[in-house]
Amino acid sequence: KQEVTQIPAALSVPEGENLVLNCSFTDSAIYNLQWFRQDPGKGLTSLLLIQSSQREQTSGRLNASLDKSSGRSTLYIAASQPGDSATYLCAGPSQGGSEKLVFGKGTKLTVNP
Amino acid sequence: KAGVTQTPRYLIKTRGQQVTLSCSPISGHRSVSWYQQTPGQGLQFLFEYFSETQRNKGNFPGRFSGRQFSNSRSEMNVSTLELGDSALYLCASSPTFSYNEQFFGPGTRLTVL
Repeated sequence: KQEVTQIPAALSVPEGENLVLNCSFTDSAIYNLQWFRQDPGKGLTSLLLIQSSQREQTSGRLNASLDKSSGRSTLYIAASQPGDSATYLCAGPSQGGSEKLVFGKGTKLTVNP
Repeated sequence: KAGVTQTPRYLIKTRGQQVTLSCSPISGHRSVSWYQQTPGQGLQFLFEYFSETQRNKGNFPGRFSGRQFSNSRSEMNVSTLELGDSALYLCASSPTFSYNEQFFGPGTRLTVL
């Protein structure tokens, strides 16, 4: 059974800082891992999807990595901006052949001007 | 291409009533999943539909039900509402089942009084 953990629950950084958000999962047979962003009271915005055959995915200032052997994924945000303030969630499939995602509780990021 | 749409965006109901929420997936997507998000439990999987068939169901009581139509639009129904059903209900769509990137709608905020 897949379990996903995100630490820390909250993070506050000054504008311009590079930062890393962490995501741990228990099932190393994970097929892919998806990172999302959620603004208060809103839906989820997909940021990056990393397939198990990939080690990294990049989109603009975001870079996500996946290490199946250690059960870890990281989301790197370069040159953070106040507009990056949001809750970041990672999720992976619960089991084979399913779209059911298991989510971490998220990391609430605050970027201070 | 239009994103995932959910209606209504906000609902206020009283205990004992029933409610129906609607989700229209991205054009061409045939898989729809539903999630409940609460501050205490985070995001929890409700059900997953593909080609009008329920493929997966989460650990929710039978008061929660859903269906998918031939045009891939989906509805979920909650009968005999309880205070604890107050939550943000999110639906996600993907092209097919299995390991696809999932795209979420803005959610329906349900408040049960």
